[in-house]
Amino acid sequence: AQKVTQAQTEISVVEKEDVTLDCVYETRDTTYYLFWYKQPPSGELVFLIRRNSFDEQNEISGRYSWNFQKSTSSFNFTITASQVVDSAVYFCALSEAVTSYDKVIFGPGTSLSVIP
Amino acid sequence: DTAVSQTPKYLVTQMGNDKSIKCEQNLGHDTMYWYKQDSKKFLKIMFSYNNKELIINETVPNRFSPKSPDKAHLNLHINSLELGDSAVYFCASSRTSGGLTQYFGPGTRLTVL
Repeated sequence: AQKVTQAQTEISVVEKEDVTLDCVYETRDTTYYLFWYKQPPSGELVFLIRRNSFDEQNEISGRYSWNFQKSTSSFNFTITASQVVDSAVYFCALSEAVTSYDKVIFGPGTSLSVIP
Repeated sequence: DTAVSQTPKYLVTQMGNDKSIKCEQNLGHDTMYWYKQDSKKFLKIMFSYNNKELIINETVPNRFSPKSPDKAHLNLHINSLELGDSAVYFCASSRTSGGLTQYFGPGTRLTVL
C-alpha cells in the first residue's frame, strides 16, 4: 500500500537559515509520481514540484531544491536562506500506477515557521 | 483569472441540513477531484471524475454525492450534515488522469453546528 511519512511535524528556523523537510514514501510500484505542495496561512494549496520515479535528477528552483533518492525512498525538500514568506505547511504526496495515478496520497505535512 | 474556483468560501450550517459546494475550473482539464482536509491538516481524496465519469470513490459516507454536469464543473452535495463533516473541502483539477499535477481551488471551510 502507498504511504507517505513526514516525520517532522513542526520546524522553526530563524530567517536566512537553511532547512530541509524530510519525506519518506512507501510503494510496491515501480512507476509512481511524487509531489510537494505548500499551504501558506491563507489556506490555498500551491503546487511546487512533480517528479516521476524514473527521473532521479535533483532539481533546483531558486532557493528551493529537491533530493530524490530511490534507494532510501526519500524525496526531501530544502529551502536555502529561508524567508518569513516560506512559513507554511508543506505536504509531500505520492501517486502510483497500480492503484490509480489519480489517487494522490498526501503525507501529514510539516509546519514550517520562519522567525524574523 | 482564477483557475479553480469554489463557492462558497465559508459555509456555516446546522446539523441535519443539506448543503452544496460548487467547483469550476477554466483550465480545460478533464479530471476533477474533491478532497477533505480535517482539523489536523490531513488531506484525503474523496472523489475524482474524468470527463464526467466517476473514477475514484473512496470510503465516503453516501451522504456525500458528487455531481459533474460537465467537465469544467464538479459539485459536492452533502445530505444530513453531521458535526464530523466540519472540515475544509478542496476541489482540484488535472489535465487528464495519469499522474499529472493537480491544481487546487481555494477551499471551502464548512462548519457544522
